[in-house]
Amino acid sequence: GESVGLHLPTLSVQEGDNSIINCAYSNSASDYFIWYKQESGKGPQFIIDIRSNMDKRQGQRVTVLLNKTVKHLSLQIAATQPGDSAVYFCAENTGNQFYFGTGTSLTVIP
Amino acid sequence: DGGITQSPKYLFRKEGQNVTLSCEQNLNHDAMYWYRQDPGQGLRLIYYSQIVNDFQKGDIAEGYSVSREKKESFPLTVTSAQKNPTAFYLCASSRTSGRGNYEQYFGPGTRLTVT
Repeated sequence: GESVGLHLPTLSVQEGDNSIINCAYSNSASDYFIWYKQESGKGPQFIIDIRSNMDKRQGQRVTVLLNKTVKHLSLQIAATQPGDSAVYFCAENTGNQFYFGTGTSLTVIP
Repeated sequence: DGGITQSPKYLFRKEGQNVTLSCEQNLNHDAMYWYRQDPGQGLRLIYYSQIVNDFQKGDIAEGYSVSREKKESFPLTVTSAQKNPTAFYLCASSRTSGRGNYEQYFGPGTRLTVT
């Protein structure tokens, strides 16, 4: 079987509620950030991005907030649905490379 | 259908054997990347390539090799020198890897198990 690693942070929400997933990034020079969604056994899927000259960006049902002062990124999902259940992780871009967080596992309770 | 394909989805090998993972993209992206994903850890960069016939080591390149003979293809070879090769391998591509900062699109991944 698969090896057991560190447990991911988890978040459980009721269907229809809003979800907030947080990410602390490490490099104050990072100027571009992405949120990804990854379902079990699949590749990450782009959700939304934000550049460092912005502090908020909205998409369909999702909002990303960037606080450069405390190096914090959050993803807000409105009216969470069962299909939103997945691991969500952030990525920061520094130079030629992206650095990825470990992720938060979101479970939506019907 | 535009996108990134990786094959095979599951791969099993005996210890001591080299194995090559395929990655193809038809997005006309210049840059391609290989990452490794282990439980409880963020994606770690193995190798990346910004243009054909050129590639750079990422953070964990030891025990791996790549080639970039065509813009569309970026195969990864896991050699017998890689001490812990069992992992989920992800290929990605983007319009550029420079300061232009474009999103990376990922393939579906290959789960490699070495026993």
